[in-house]
Amino acid sequence: AQSVTQPDIHITVSEGASLELRCNYSYGATPYLFWYVQSPGQGLQLLLKYFSGDTLVQGIKGFEAEFKRSQSSFNLRKPSVHWSDAAEYFCAVGARRGGSQGNLIFGKGTKLSVKP
Amino acid sequence: DTGVSQDPRHKITKRGQNVTFRCDPISEHNRLYWYRQTLGQGPEFLTYFQNEAQLEKSRLLSDRFSAERPKGSFSTLEIQRTEQGDSAMYLCASSSPNRISSYNEQFFGPGTRLTVL
Repeated sequence: AQSVTQPDIHITVSEGASLELRCNYSYGATPYLFWYVQSPGQGLQLLLKYFSGDTLVQGIKGFEAEFKRSQSSFNLRKPSVHWSDAAEYFCAVGARRGGSQGNLIFGKGTKLSVKP
Repeated sequence: DTGVSQDPRHKITKRGQNVTFRCDPISEHNRLYWYRQTLGQGPEFLTYFQNEAQLEKSRLLSDRFSAERPKGSFSTLEIQRTEQGDSAMYLCASSSPNRISSYNEQFFGPGTRLTVL
């Protein structure tokens, strides 16, 4: 079955420290890959996406993610975290063709707390 | 503001009542999606429309749920005979065909939080 796993439910980092949020997926083929961020009580904002090409993708707010086919992973990174990055982060996958092209499958999310 | 809007933002209702939510997508987007998000979970897909046609429905969308997009613009999601298990955030998203890929990146609204007492 198609699924997305975010192994870390909650991560706390100090402001200025680096960050890596893990995402692994189970899918029949290479899907489209997304990272979204959700602040409390808000909808989801797209941080970055991978469709094809360069496996290291840059997003907004200084985030990047690397697609590793061999590991079925799409980890999110940021070299220096700011207090405003505290939020919940969701990894999602979507079908390229055939099957369902309307359905994004989300992980359960990782809540990020930032210590001053 | 040209983003996705949802109304109401919050809804409190009693078990057994019917509720209806509205979503207005980004104006040039022809695809519209509904998701449900419960506490501690990621969003779960419910259904999506391309223009006015409802193309896919999740098994989560029980008979008590119905969604419409009559003119291919805004959409409504109705829940009949609400149950406490329906308490969740209901998210709407929209997207537009992408020249580069056959898949669309989805832009989300702020959601409607439903509480069923």
